[in-house]
Amino acid sequence: DSGVTQTPKHLITATGQRVTLRCSPRSGDLSVYWYQQSLDQGLQFLIQYYNGEERAKGNILERFSAQQFPDLHSELNLSSLELGDSALYFCASSVDWGLAYEQYFGPGTRLTVT
Amino acid sequence: SQQGEEDPQALSIQEGENATMNCSYKTSINNLQWYRQNSGRGLVHLILIRSNEREKHSGRLRVTLDTSKKSSSLLITASRAADTASYFCATVLNSGNTPLVFGKGTRLSVIA
Repeated sequence: DSGVTQTPKHLITATGQRVTLRCSPRSGDLSVYWYQQSLDQGLQFLIQYYNGEERAKGNILERFSAQQFPDLHSELNLSSLELGDSALYFCASSVDWGLAYEQYFGPGTRLTVT
Repeated sequence: SQQGEEDPQALSIQEGENATMNCSYKTSINNLQWYRQNSGRGLVHLILIRSNEREKHSGRLRVTLDTSKKSSSLLITASRAADTASYFCATVLNSGNTPLVFGKGTRLSVIA
């Protein structure tokens, strides 16, 4: 158990809908990362927050947004869902934002868009 | 394109044998990390090796880094069925605070 929790575990929804994925980092970790894992694209970094502020942005679509709240939990919002958004979404946390900190991954949310 | 590329894509060995996976990358790095992922689950950090290090050990794991060849290898000795998983290398680039860039992984199957 990494100490990172993600809800829900599974989500099935229709195209065009909007969903919110939630992540609670390990106790004491200030940095949260979101990743998308699909069969064809592999593991793609989406976005990073550190202590409530956006720190780095990756291949995140404009239809997606995220935020980190004062209690350090984070939410990833996916809107106008398309079939291609079906994937595993992982949240990870680390103690700091720097380069040499290992990341602890949550169990993921499996999103299926039908 | 991916910064890190693992090779082979898949590897199948008998329990007790050693497993070697390789990772090549394109630009200079600050550090390189190896992660393991059991089917459909979150990634687990295995080991981090900095650009000024050449070799690192952790239990049955041995990681080497050759910055001149821009490559790293992960050796798992005396493999067990429980080592069956996908293994990813991830690089942290030198160019500022860039997040981890993952390769597509090596799928290891250890047959009992």
